[in-house]
Amino acid sequence: EAQVTQNPRYLITVTGKKLTVTCSQNMNHEYMSWYRQDPGLGLRQIYYSMNVEVTDKGDVPEGYKVSRKEKRNFPLILESPSPNQTSLYFCATVSGANVLTFGAGSRLTVL
Amino acid sequence: GENVEQHPSTLSVQEGDSAVIKCTYSDSASNYFPWYKQELGKGPQLIIDIRSNVGEKKDQRIAVTLNKTAKHFSLHITETQPEDSAVYFCAARVTSGTYKYIFGTGTRLKVLA
Repeated sequence: EAQVTQNPRYLITVTGKKLTVTCSQNMNHEYMSWYRQDPGLGLRQIYYSMNVEVTDKGDVPEGYKVSRKEKRNFPLILESPSPNQTSLYFCATVSGANVLTFGAGSRLTVL
Repeated sequence: GENVEQHPSTLSVQEGDSAVIKCTYSDSASNYFPWYKQELGKGPQLIIDIRSNVGEKKDQRIAVTLNKTAKHFSLHITETQPEDSAVYFCAARVTSGTYKYIFGTGTRLKVLA
């Protein structure tokens, strides 16, 4: 089954404590992306990657880092989380037919 | 910049009635318009999409229409059922050859039994 797997699904942390949200896909897709979802703002792109070792900023990259060392994994790194990064995060891939497939989401709370 | 406006933000309909959600995009070069359904606790899932060379597409109770001149596209759900209750997002792919999508702000649909 085609899957995008994110972990953790839920996380409560404190300001400044580095964290990583992992994302893994089993579809061998080249493109992966991270979005955040906030009430009234829809889904906004944080970072994306067109292939291994190729990453680029989306619309709201401030405070985030990513890496793409292998095709299946695309972790999202918050070096020093702040309360304004409290949000629902989604990882996604794109198939050859341009279909975005999302993970189940990771709800992050930064106190 | 690129923008997708979505209306209404909330919509309540009686079971069996129709529901219509409308989106307007700003980038005239957009050529692909997917609709996503997000159920509670889950990620958005593609339910239907339309490309710019097509005016209408239908899949059972769901249809999407596109007016390129007006830069409008709409989702139509007929014979609504309680399981249609969810948040719906429209999106526009900004330019051909990229995977950059701009999303609308979402519509929370409630189907009342």
